[in-house]
Amino acid sequence: DSGVTQTPKHLITATGQRVTLRCSPRSGDLSVYWYQQSLDQGLQFLIQYYNGEERAKGNILERFSAQQFPDLHSELNLSSLELGDSALYFCASTRLAGFSTDTQYFGPGTRLTVL
Amino acid sequence: EDQVTQSPEALRLQEGESSSLNCSYTVSGLRGLFWYRQDPGKGPEFLFTLYSAGEEKEKERLKATLTKKESFLHITAPKPEDSATYLCAVQAAGNKLTFGGGTRVLVKP
Repeated sequence: DSGVTQTPKHLITATGQRVTLRCSPRSGDLSVYWYQQSLDQGLQFLIQYYNGEERAKGNILERFSAQQFPDLHSELNLSSLELGDSALYFCASTRLAGFSTDTQYFGPGTRLTVL
Repeated sequence: EDQVTQSPEALRLQEGESSSLNCSYTVSGLRGLFWYRQDPGKGPEFLFTLYSAGEEKEKERLKATLTKKESFLHITAPKPEDSATYLCAVQAAGNKLTFGGGTRVLVKP
């Protein structure tokens, strides 16, 4: 158990809908990272938040957004869902912003299925 | 752009049959190379971080090594419980990890 929690474990929804994925980092960690894992793309970095502020952005679609709250949990919002958004979404956390090589510890993931 | 290539894509081993997985990378200014293990439907589990060429780290039947262009994960006398996908990732400038496609390892008893 990495100490990172994610809810829900599974999510099934329809095209065009909007969903919210939630992540709680390890105790004491200030940085949260979101990744998408699909069969054809592998693990892809989406976005990072540090202490409530966006720190780095990867291949995140405009239909996707995230935020980190004062209690440090983070939410990833996915809207206007398409079939291709079906994937595993992982959250990871580190203690610092990443200027040192902090180890990223991953949560168990949320499996999103868009029908 | 950072690139990570893992080979082979899949590996079938008999229990006790040692082997090596390869991770080749192209990156400007490597800060760290990470190995993770991932079981089906689960999150990646951290194994090792390597920082500089020549560095080696060991954990049970696993040993990771690093050169300037690639890293190897050696599995010595594997057991069925070592079956998993092994992921390699690099961290360069910035905070994100760039992952390779992974090597699926199946160890048969």
